[in-house]
Amino acid sequence: DIQMTQSPSTLSASVGDRVTITCRASQSISSWLAWYQQKPGKAPKLLIYKASSLESGVPSRFSGSESGTEFTLTISSLQPDDFATYYCQQYSTYPRTFGQGTKVEIK
Amino acid sequence: QVQLVQSGAEVKEPGASVKVSCKASGYTFTTYTIHWVRQAPGQSLEWMGWIDAGNGHTKYSQKFQGRITITMDTSASTAYMDLSCLTSEDTAIYYCAREVPTIEFENWGQGTLVTVSS
Repeated sequence: DIQMTQSPSTLSASVGDRVTITCRASQSISSWLAWYQQKPGKAPKLLIYKASSLESGVPSRFSGSESGTEFTLTISSLQPDDFATYYCQQYSTYPRTFGQGTKVEIK
Repeated sequence: QVQLVQSGAEVKEPGASVKVSCKASGYTFTTYTIHWVRQAPGQSLEWMGWIDAGNGHTKYSQKFQGRITITMDTSASTAYMDLSCLTSEDTAIYYCAREVPTIEFENWGQGTLVTVSS
């Protein structure tokens, strides 16, 4: 199985901060990576697909990038609605696998 | 708009089975694949399997092979996930999700809490 390693596991930030979350795949997944946002008691919400494509309706402050097997989710200016847990997921092969999550907390 | 509506919370005893439903609306059910993903309390997401709603083909995670069955009723636009031989480690929220090719899980159900307890 492909392991997805996210860092950090927790991140404390203030409104307006630039935030970066990293996800590393244990082997090549090409660009088959998605990012999800999850709030307490809610289902995950797709933000980014194919490593850097913004899902329709998602604010442009969210962006994704890749370099080899390392992927990055960036929030350019953190907003109050962005405090949540973020997961990466590879869809290059089965079984689909997720990172362990990054919780973005208010500083 | 696309909606996936799941059945309600369940409480099961160890050794029992549970069947969770996922009713789709807002799109042609047979055009997309439905996946099942679960989330144990405080944990990350875990993929379980999928069903191709166009032909009924299924694929399961090896972890659940032999315990999971995913089925569908195209006339009701509904997918089902059946998990047997439950233990306390199966206590989790179970989600269905619609796969859009090259985009992955674009739509999710609201989740169904399954609690396994004696």
